[in-house]
Formats: sequence, structure tokens, C-alpha cells
Amino acid sequence: ETGVTQSPTHLIKTRGQQVTLRCSSQSGHNTVSWYQQALGQGPQFIFQYYREEENGRGNFPPRFSGLQFPNYSSELNVNALELDDSALYLCASSLGALPPGNTIYFGEGSWLTVV
Amino acid sequence: AQTVTQSQPEMSVQEAETVTLSCTYDTSESDYYLFWYKQPPSRQMILVIRQEAYKQQNATENRFSVNFQKAAKSFSLKISDSQLGDAAMYFCASSRAGTYKYIFGTGTRLKVLA
Repeated sequence: ETGVTQSPTHLIKTRGQQVTLRCSSQSGHNTVSWYQQALGQGPQFIFQYYREEENGRGNFPPRFSGLQFPNYSSELNVNALELDDSALYLCASSLGALPPGNTIYFGEGSWLTVV
Repeated sequence: AQTVTQSQPEMSVQEAETVTLSCTYDTSESDYYLFWYKQPPSRQMILVIRQEAYKQQNATENRFSVNFQKAAKSFSLKISDSQLGDAAMYFCASSRAGTYKYIFGTGTRLKVLA
């Protein structure tokens, strides 16, 4: 167990709707990153938050946004859902903006299906 | 841009035997890290082994070891004495030192036969 928990585990949304996914990071970890893993693919980096500020972003449109709270938990918000947004969304936490060893610890993910 | 390629979609190994999973990568960075992650049906990505690019010595973790060939940009994972619990998707990943942005390959599904 990595101590990173995500909710909900599964959810189904309709195209055009909005969704919020939540992540509670491992105790003491102040950095959270989010990844999208489409079926049969490896995870792709969405963005990263350090001390409540976004400090790195992958190739995802602005309708993917996030928040990090003072307790370092995080949310991923996706607006105007598209069918291609159907994927496993993984949260990962770590300590520090410049990680020693670059090691991150993943949660079990949230399965999003857009119909 | 960094890329990671895993050319074996699926591999099988007999229990107690040894298997090697292949990974090649491309990066212009001089300081980077390489990883192997295991993703069982529970979906949680579990770190198997990590290699710092500046270290020549191959990393080992119990039954897991890597063959890191920096000049060839190759990073293969060897699993010795394979166990049924090793069955999972295995992902190779790289990241530039000082960032959390991982670049993952497409994965290799490992089946362990009893």
C-alpha cells in the first residue's frame, strides 16, 4: 500500500458533463501529479501540483484543471467531457518539488467511462 | 522529447524460470531516471526498480534486476525465479531529473504459467 487513496473508484458520465476526481496523498507528501491511462496504453502525464500551485503540465487541453488543498489532497476536474476522456485516472504523490530519486507513489485510480 | 518503447506486448514464463522484458528509450537529457512499474489487476502502479542514469552499476531488488545499456538506450528488466504473483502489466518509464513527469511505454503483459 502506498497510502495514496482515490475516489470514486468507478463512475459513468455523459458526454458534455463535468467530473471531479479526488486524491488523498500519502502522509507528508506535498506534491501531487495526475495521469490519464487509456485502455491498453501507458499513463500520460496531465499535470502536477506543488504546495497548491500547478508547476508542470502535459499536453492536455484547459478543460482539464486541478486543485491542491492546504492538506495536500487534490482534485482533478474535467469539463465538457468527450468520449475519448474514458480512461483510468491515476494520482501520484511525492515529497518535494525537486524529488530525490524522482520517485512517485500511485493510487489505485478512478475509472471514468463517458457515454 | 523523451520516448519509451516496449516492443513486447505480451510475454509468458514458466513458474520458477527467468524472463526478460525489453525497453528502449530516447532522451536528450544527460541526467535522468529509468523505472519499471508493475500494474496488477488492482490497477495500482507499483514501483519495481529504479535506475539513475549516472550510475553504471545495474540496479537490483531481490529477484528483479535490470540491464542498463546507456549507449544503446536500453533498459531491460530480468525477473528471476518467477512467481504466480508476478503476473501483471509491466511498464517502463523515464523522467528527467528534478521532475515528476514520467514518460511511460505501452506496457508488456506478463503471464506466469504454473
